[in-house]
Amino acid sequence: NAGVTQTPKFRVLKTGQSMTLLCAQDMNHEYMYWYRQDPGMGLRLIHYSVGEGTTAKGEVPDGYNVSRLKKQNFLLGLESAAPSQTSVYFCASSYVPLRGVKVTEAFFGQGTRLTVV
Amino acid sequence: ELKVEQNPLFLSMQEGKNYTIYCNYSTTSDRLYWYRQDPGKSLESLFVLLSNGAVKQEGRLMASLDTKARLSTLHITAAVHDLSATYFCAVEIGNQFYFGTGTSLTVIP
Repeated sequence: NAGVTQTPKFRVLKTGQSMTLLCAQDMNHEYMYWYRQDPGMGLRLIHYSVGEGTTAKGEVPDGYNVSRLKKQNFLLGLESAAPSQTSVYFCASSYVPLRGVKVTEAFFGQGTRLTVV
Repeated sequence: ELKVEQNPLFLSMQEGKNYTIYCNYSTTSDRLYWYRQDPGKSLESLFVLLSNGAVKQEGRLMASLDTKARLSTLHITAAVHDLSATYFCAVEIGNQFYFGTGTSLTVIP
């Protein structure tokens, strides 16, 4: 029962370096999300996707890009990392049980702890 | 701008006591979720509230939703140490989930 799997779990980057975080889900969910979690700020939505080949901006998209080439994968990219991007990143997925019905709850991965120095 | 506010942000309570965590949100939604997060761990779903007046209970936790007041509560009854965690509420708007800042609960023996 893998659910939502994030890789890597930990990463340290130097300012200006790039990296990609991978999120994979095996539940055939249509919706996928990337959040960042910072102390005292809860979880903030970076980007999300409502299906294969589609992405949209969330609350804090600047400095990030995403791609969803396959339904089960949602990639988060940092082109030029900055110390302000030091955070814990969570991926989540959700599904629509019936056409026209809203999504159910979100299922979360284990998180990626990223430090930019 | 959508706001999801929780209070208190920090809660320290003795075992056996009762307390309520509040979640206020600023726009119309009839779908409210509660999650639990243990230190260094992911978020675990606790409750899904899908209509006005919804009430759900699991063990010592009970969640309710008042969509007219835009308020959800998470009530803790006779707290035990195992309930120590951070609790988040989240509102669903347009198939996106917006989270509160979290309530860090510590239950003291």
